[in-house]
This record gives sequence, C-alpha cells and structure tokens, in this order.
Amino acid sequence: EVQLEESGGGLVEPGRSLRLSCTASGFTFGDYAMTWFRQAPGKGLEWVGFIGGRPYGGTTEYAASVKGRFTISRDDSKSIVYLQMNSLKTEDTAMYFCSRGEKISDYWGQGTLVTVSS
Amino acid sequence: DIQMTQSPSSLSASVGDRVTITCRATQSISSYLNWYQQKPGKAPKLLIYAASSLQSGVPSRFSGSGSGTDFTLTISTLQPEDFATYYCQQTYSTPRTFGQGTKVEIK
Repeated sequence: EVQLEESGGGLVEPGRSLRLSCTASGFTFGDYAMTWFRQAPGKGLEWVGFIGGRPYGGTTEYAASVKGRFTISRDDSKSIVYLQMNSLKTEDTAMYFCSRGEKISDYWGQGTLVTVSS
Repeated sequence: DIQMTQSPSSLSASVGDRVTITCRATQSISSYLNWYQQKPGKAPKLLIYAASSLQSGVPSRFSGSGSGTDFTLTISTLQPEDFATYYCQQTYSTPRTFGQGTKVEIK
C-alpha cells in the first residue's frame, strides 16, 4: 500500500527557516518524481514544485513564489523527499502536501501545517 | 503561465442529480488535465487524469472529457459522498496551475 507522511510543520517567525519531510512507503521510491503542493487556509491548491525521479536525474522545478527560497531534495536510500524553506514569509502559511508523481499526482499525504507568524 | 478557470465556483445539487463542472485553459494544454476531489480537512484525491482517464478505484459515475482548452467533469448521479470541492489542474507546462475550485453543496 502506497503511503506518504509529511512532518516538520509548525509555527515559525518570518525570515526563519523550516524543513519539511515526506516519508514514503509501498512503492519503489527512486523511480518516481515527487511533488509538493500547499493550500493556504480557506484557499485553493497551489503547486510548489517537484523533483524528478532517478530516470530524470532528480531535476527540480519551482513556482515563482518560492523560487530561490525553497529547495526540494530527496534521499532515495531513506525514501524521503524534503522541502527546505528559507526566508519564510507570512504568505507561506499553509498546509503543505507531498504527492507521488509529477504530471499525475496519484497519492497524497495528509499534509503538515506551516504557520509563519511573529 | 497558463490560467485555469472553473465554472461555476459553487453549485447546489440534490442526490441523484447530474452535475457538470467546466474548466477552461488560457491556451491549449492538449489532454494534460487532471481532476481532484477534496473534502474538508483532507488531502485532494485524484479522480481523472489525462482529461478522460478514470483513476483506479474511482466510481464510474465520474467522467471527464475535453481537449485543447475546454474540459468537463461530469458526475452522472450525485451521491451523498460526492459533496466536496473539485479542482482541475493542468500539467502541460510549469508552473502547474489549478482552477479556483468548484464547491458542490447539498441543495
């Protein structure tokens, strides 16, 4: 059974950093791209970025709103994908979801909440 | 960036109704269009991918159609568990963008 579990969310002050993790199980992790999404309270879904799987050399792409501040990486030996978030802004407050796949996100985690506030 | 516009933004319907939600892209996205269902406090669930392919395990009352710029999600016979918010997403180019969502409420 495919499972994804996010962790690492919490309350953080503006300008600080936070690293989210997404631990996967139930599939050959390295073969799949992984995507991060977010959803601000009461708002719609927003694509954050993705990292390619082994077949694509782990290439990354990001939304303009996070490019240069957020970094997606992966550890295939541990089946974990990370979202390193630096220089956080209040507008980054959201539930963050990881998902399997890139063009088709077929499995999602339950999300981890990030609140950026002083 | 490709903008996705869903209509309506919300609708009220009764169990047993046929429901149609449309999604329009600002440029052609071929068939790179997914539909997701999201219930409050839950992660989105993939319903339809590649515009018309039904994701495994999704009831056959859900169907998708369209290509190019205009797409449709249809629920043939609305069930109580279908009251939720529905999002379209294009994966033709980055950034991957979503429609604003359509909330399906009980009439």
